[in-house]
Amino acid sequence: ETGVTQSPTHLIKTRGQQVTLRCSSQSGHNTVSWYQQALGQGPQFIFQYYREEENGRGNFPPRFSGLQFPNYSSELNVNALELDDSALYLCASSHPSNTGELFFGEGSRLTVL
Amino acid sequence: KNEVEQSPQNLTAQEGEFITINCSYSVGISALHWLQQHPGGGIVSLFMLSSGKKKHGRLIATINIQEKHSSLHITASHPRDSAVYICAVYRGSQGNLIFGKGTKLSVKP
Repeated sequence: ETGVTQSPTHLIKTRGQQVTLRCSSQSGHNTVSWYQQALGQGPQFIFQYYREEENGRGNFPPRFSGLQFPNYSSELNVNALELDDSALYLCASSHPSNTGELFFGEGSRLTVL
Repeated sequence: KNEVEQSPQNLTAQEGEFITINCSYSVGISALHWLQQHPGGGIVSLFMLSSGKKKHGRLIATINIQEKHSSLHITASHPRDSAVYICAVYRGSQGNLIFGKGTKLSVKP
């Protein structure tokens, strides 16, 4: 139990739709990062939020966007869904004083039909 | 060529065997993580290393910064160790972890 919760756990969308995934970070953790993991692959970094600001971004198009709220929970939004967006989306929280240790949620599995 | 390479990709062992999983990387890093992922998808952080060696129970992780190589060892392996083990390197302060593809470990009773 890492204290990081993600919702929903599973969802199915169709091409062109939009999706919002949510992550509640561990108490006191002000940094949240999001990762996409395609089947059989390692995760890939999407972006990181620190104190409500985007603080780093991987090689993902602008239709992947995010938010972090004052309570440090976070959302990942994906617009104009494509079939290749089908993946497990993981969030991880951390606190600078933890020297970078990450606490992952269980993930949200998105299927795009 | 991936920036983080793991070997082997798949590993089957008998209960009690000593297991080694290797990770090589080609970029400058500030830290390296070893992660464990179970079939449900959730990831657990096992170790974060920037030098030397760390031990936790039956797990040992080592890193050689000069050779850009890390190993994860499991002593007295058990079926509950069956999972995917992922190496990830941390390049800086902006959350950009680069992950290997993982090593799928299956420990048979």
